Amino acid sequence: AQTVTQSQPEMSVQEAETVTLSCTYDTSENNYYLFWYKQPPSRQMILVIRQEAYKQQNATENRFSVNFQKAAKSFSLKISDSQLGDTAMYFCAFMKPNSSRVSGSARQLTFGSGTQLTVLP
Amino acid sequence: SAVISQKPSRDICQRGTSLTIQCQVDSQVTMMFWYRQQPGQSLTLIATANQGSEATYESGFVIDKFPISRPNLTFSTLTVSNMSPEDSSIYLCSVGGASPREQFFGPGTRLTVL
Repeated sequence: AQTVTQSQPEMSVQEAETVTLSCTYDTSENNYYLFWYKQPPSRQMILVIRQEAYKQQNATENRFSVNFQKAAKSFSLKISDSQLGDTAMYFCAFMKPNSSRVSGSARQLTFGSGTQLTVLP
Repeated sequence: SAVISQKPSRDICQRGTSLTIQCQVDSQVTMMFWYRQQPGQSLTLIATANQGSEATYESGFVIDKFPISRPNLTFSTLTVSNMSPEDSSIYLCSVGGASPREQFFGPGTRLTVL
């Protein structure tokens, strides 16, 4: 079974500064996917960034980037130029692709416990 | 991307009653997932709903408590039966896209049991 650990229940950062959220995971799989989701007070789960384990290059999406260390099973999220709208709960998630060959099939996610990020004005 | 809607968005229910939550997707998908998020907690997978077959439940969740229907490729329901205050949670429906990299969530149903 896979486990995902987020050791920082809460973090805060000043607006325009940079913050890094930590995530570690445990798996015996070689191929998998990692995600960071954001959940603002609206409770809607919003995909922030994703990383395929077979890719060595770290994923980036505008102000969001990851530091993926496969050997260390670490997947941290860096938010640059933090904005007030970044205030939310952030969840790290692991996905092991299933063996189904049916097109459009979905896969289940294993989530970490979350980090509540507050951006201070 | 997939657009997912859930009904109701929130409800307040009495102990011992049941509530059925609906999940509608704007495209056909093979699998739909139901997650529970208890207050202040992370998301926990309840079950995977396949069209045309019985749902697959995760450890700690049983069909008698959380019956699921999947009548077609765009719709699913989750029923929370014989509710107790411990069932107060947000229940989220999720589907995947054509690629394993894609996973979409509905807006959630906030359930409060008195």
